[in-house]
Amino acid sequence: GIQVEQSPPDLILQEGANSTLRCNFSDSVNNLQWFHQNPWGQLINLFYIPSGTKQNGRLSATTVATERYSLLYISSSQTTDSGVYFCAVVRNAGGTSYGKLTFGQGTILTVHP
Amino acid sequence: KAGVTQTPRYLIKTRGQQVTLSCSPISGHRSVSWYQQTPGQGLQFLFEYFSETQRNKGNFPGRFSGRQFSNSRSEMNVSTLELGDSALYLCASSFNPPGRGFSYEQYFGPGTRLTVT
Repeated sequence: GIQVEQSPPDLILQEGANSTLRCNFSDSVNNLQWFHQNPWGQLINLFYIPSGTKQNGRLSATTVATERYSLLYISSSQTTDSGVYFCAVVRNAGGTSYGKLTFGQGTILTVHP
Repeated sequence: KAGVTQTPRYLIKTRGQQVTLSCSPISGHRSVSWYQQTPGQGLQFLFEYFSETQRNKGNFPGRFSGRQFSNSRSEMNVSTLELGDSALYLCASSFNPPGRGFSYEQYFGPGTRLTVT
């Protein structure tokens, strides 16, 4: 199956710093999503970005599908940004991939005041 | 529009028992996927349902099963519970019509935290 690798596994920042999280995937995809998991376990949608660039406030994301990677940028980080960030993809394999997100292992972000 | 809802939110069961978890998708979404999250294995896909049909299944034993009703609500069942089944179970819904060559964005519920003792 498709492999999804996220880096770094852990990231510690001071409030106000910028950061870049990376997601590499091993096959072509037709869906790529970034999530933030809150302390209660819920996955919050950040971006649906199978290709291209999107921005939402202090967050932006870029996916270069031909090179099989995606980047999540967090600018001017705040303590509320702390948590686990997941990248997840759906492999471009027609009917065999319906509804199947494959997740990376996540990046644990800690932002200190 | 209301989000994905899951019930119950917390559950404690004993080894050997069975459990049923429920998921109500976002209105208009006909695809429901289920995932298991554990500290050791991370987030893993269980199965996906669309129009009451299972279209895709992950690598889990037959003790894990599911179904979808005509209103798109879904249930998953785990029989003969084992300690290793303790996990956060998440469901997600998406607008994912058949015959399309790509997948739409999935939206997740708050999860059911299952503890098996």
